[in-house]
Amino acid sequence: NAGVTQTPKFQVLKTGQSMTLQCAQDMNHEYMSWYRQDPGMGLRLIHYSVGAGITDQGEVPNGYNVSRSTTEDFPLRLLSAAPSQTSVYFCASRDQGDAYGYTFGSGTRLTVV
Amino acid sequence: RKEVEQDPGPFNVPEGATVAFNCTYSNSASQSFFWYRQDCRKEPKLLMSVYSSGNEDGRFTAQLNRASQYISLLIRDSKLSDSATYLCVVNRQAGTALIFGKGTTLSVSS
Repeated sequence: NAGVTQTPKFQVLKTGQSMTLQCAQDMNHEYMSWYRQDPGMGLRLIHYSVGAGITDQGEVPNGYNVSRSTTEDFPLRLLSAAPSQTSVYFCASRDQGDAYGYTFGSGTRLTVV
Repeated sequence: RKEVEQDPGPFNVPEGATVAFNCTYSNSASQSFFWYRQDCRKEPKLLMSVYSSGNEDGRFTAQLNRASQYISLLIRDSKLSDSATYLCVVNRQAGTALIFGKGTTLSVSS
């Protein structure tokens, strides 16, 4: 059971480039989310999904797009990378019941130069 | 005001000490509550869920006071391996994602 898999683990982008951070889970979880973590800011919610075909914005959605075409995958797209998007990105999933916490992927460390 | 607020920390304690972390949340409709642990440069991991009746897992005890919108975590007999950042987490309502506090850093020394 792989859990939540994020790729790549590290990435350096130039300002203005676009890219997709991949997230896949094999636990048949309905709920998936993307967070970014910056020093002193804690984890901030970017986008989340409660099932295939359903996504919603979180606290800091600007500059990011998501889609959820399957239960397993929840990619995060950076449309035009900016230095302010330098961060550690975590994808997480959980089962539908409210009592369940999230299982996190190991993160993608993104640097935009 | 942040939706979930925690003690600023850091907490520096000797081995064997008892340490308590506090957390408050602003949305009274919040439905479920958790404590996560995060080690340096690693992903957060679920430590325990928090229930109104209080719950205990070994040296860890979590309490929830819905009237005061207050969550606590008590760690007894601290170990070196408890050194980490502890995150207070709230699910404001069904069908939404979890909201994280900024975390409180604990350093246990010998």
